[in-house]
Amino acid sequence: AQSVTQLDSHVSVSEGTPVLLRCNYSSSYSPSLFWYVQHPNKGLQLLLKYTSAATLVKGINGFEAEFKKSETSFHLTKPSAHMSDAAEYFCVVSRGGNYGQNFVFGPGTRLSVLP
Amino acid sequence: EPEVTQTPSHQVTQMGQEVILRCVPISNHLYFYWYRQILGQKVEFLVSFYNNEISEKSEIFDDQFSVERPDGSNFTLKIRSTKLEDSAMYFCASERERDNEQFFGPGTRLTVL
Repeated sequence: AQSVTQLDSHVSVSEGTPVLLRCNYSSSYSPSLFWYVQHPNKGLQLLLKYTSAATLVKGINGFEAEFKKSETSFHLTKPSAHMSDAAEYFCVVSRGGNYGQNFVFGPGTRLSVLP
Repeated sequence: EPEVTQTPSHQVTQMGQEVILRCVPISNHLYFYWYRQILGQKVEFLVSFYNNEISEKSEIFDDQFSVERPDGSNFTLKIRSTKLEDSAMYFCASERERDNEQFFGPGTRLTVL
């Protein structure tokens, strides 16, 4: 069975400093992995996805994530935080299946950006 | 840019009442999903729908729940007799093809009193 662990429920950074949001997964086969962001009162927006191509994945708004199979990790990073990055971030592993994908969500990490 | 829409944004109902949550997926998408997020908890998969039938459902999706795509555009989730524990944010998602990206709607917040 697939599962996702997000090690930090809350991360607080200062504007202009690097962001690191940690994600570890377990999967019985090669997974597809995603990061979604949820701003207050908004839907879930895809930041980036890994689907067995390049292990370093670049997403929107300057975010990137590196798939490390040996560590079963898919940490999200950004070199310089912006105030608009404050949101809830979800790491997701795809369960796959015969029809479409069924996502398993991590518990989420709330990112606060301080001025 | 096409997007998934959901109505209503907030639904308040009495315990035991039926509710229907509506979603309009992106028009050329083939796979449809419902998820829910109880306040303070993680997002949970409820059901997936493809080719006019349920392809997979979770343990949460019991006989009180049903989905349908009545007119080729709307995708609805019905809860026949709501319980207090059904209070949650419900997200609809659609996907153009397998192994692609799921696009999520803004969610419907259901409050059961």
